[in-house]
Amino acid sequence: DADVTQTPRNRITKTGKRIMLECSQTKGHDRMYWYRQDPGLGLRLIYYSFDVKDINKGEISDGYSVSRQAQAKFSLSLESAIPNQTALYFCATSDHSTGDNEQFFGPGTRLTVL
Amino acid sequence: RKEVEQDPGPFNVPEGATVAFNCTYSNSASQSFFWYRQDCRKEPKLLMSVYSSGNEDGRFTAQLNRASQYISLLIRDSKLSDSATYLCVVNPPQAGTALIFGKGTTLSVSS
Repeated sequence: DADVTQTPRNRITKTGKRIMLECSQTKGHDRMYWYRQDPGLGLRLIYYSFDVKDINKGEISDGYSVSRQAQAKFSLSLESAIPNQTALYFCATSDHSTGDNEQFFGPGTRLTVL
Repeated sequence: RKEVEQDPGPFNVPEGATVAFNCTYSNSASQSFFWYRQDCRKEPKLLMSVYSSGNEDGRFTAQLNRASQYISLLIRDSKLSDSATYLCVVNPPQAGTALIFGKGTTLSVSS
């Protein structure tokens, strides 16, 4: 079984719709992250959480919100999706106790906003 | 200066070639460094950590030059399966922050 899972894996939605992307992990890690990846722009950090109820904005948080209600789950919401939010979204986890912050990624969610 | 910079490539090499990627980082106090590999449309995966003394894993050698603030990855005897994007990653010194990813260098190995 995968240690970091994301649902859905693919999603097509329309402008203005609310959408939620889910991330779950069985690694027991305390830290979780959401990134988006666009061609030529690399990975960009949206939000990250270092513990339950801890939320921090990343580089591109506008238009997104997150929820960390449990250590194993970190969800990303687009309240009103727009076409330029079409991207590949990755969730990642890390373990604070290792000290080096190595991150482990989920398989990604491909989101298309029409 | 961008926090982590990489030559985007692409690097197109024949099988068996040796290829090197470089990466520079802006914060001299950064403590830990990684190379991640990302296949097309897949998630990034850790290739290797980069240690101050340099480290090797099979055909892959990573080196860190703190004085010049650059990191390198050397791939010897390239295989077709090495074709991927290689991401340089830096752990900033500030507590409570996330890793900083470079945009990646694309490698294409051909037969």
